[in-house]
Amino acid sequence: EVQLVESGGGLVQPGGSLRLSCAASGFTFSDHYMAWVRQAPGKGLEWVGRTRNKANSYTTEYAASVKGRFTISRDDSKNSLYLQMNSLKTDDTAVYYCARGAKGIVGAITDYWGLGTLVTVSS
Amino acid sequence: DIQMTQSPSSLSASVGDRVTITCRASQGISNYLAWFQQKPGKAPKSLIYAASTLQSGVPSKFSGSGSGTDFTLTISSLQPEDFATYYCQQYNSYPFTFGPGTKVDIK
Repeated sequence: EVQLVESGGGLVQPGGSLRLSCAASGFTFSDHYMAWVRQAPGKGLEWVGRTRNKANSYTTEYAASVKGRFTISRDDSKNSLYLQMNSLKTDDTAVYYCARGAKGIVGAITDYWGLGTLVTVSS
Repeated sequence: DIQMTQSPSSLSASVGDRVTITCRASQGISNYLAWFQQKPGKAPKSLIYAASTLQSGVPSKFSGSGSGTDFTLTISSLQPEDFATYYCQQYNSYPFTFGPGTKVDIK
């Protein structure tokens, strides 16, 4: 069974940093692209970014709203995905979801989602 | 960036109704369009990719169609568990973008 479990959320002051983790199980993590998607309270879904797999050099893509502040990384030996968030703003307050990219599908669109972890940026 | 719009933003329907939601892209995205369902307080669930292909385990009452800029999600016979918010997402080009969502609630 595919499982994605996020952790690391919490309360942080504006300008601060936070690192989210996503522990994956139930599938061969190294084969898959992985992504982060967020949802501000009462709002819609916003794509944050993705990392490709080793075969595609672990390259990354980001939304303009987080580029230069957020970094997505992964450790295939630990079946884990990370989101390093720096220079946090109040607008970054959201539930952050870890999402798996489908293998073998052009575009590797999301097929499984984690339960999410809440990040609150406030003074 | 490609902008995604959805209509209606919300709708009220009865159990057994046929429901159709429309998603439109600001430029052509071929068939790189996915649909997601989200219930209150829950994580999204993937329903459809490539505009019309059901994810594994998704019941056949859901169907998708379209190509280019105009897409639809249809629920053939609405059931109580289908009341939720539905989002489309384009994955033709970065950054991937979601529509604003369509909330389906009980009439």
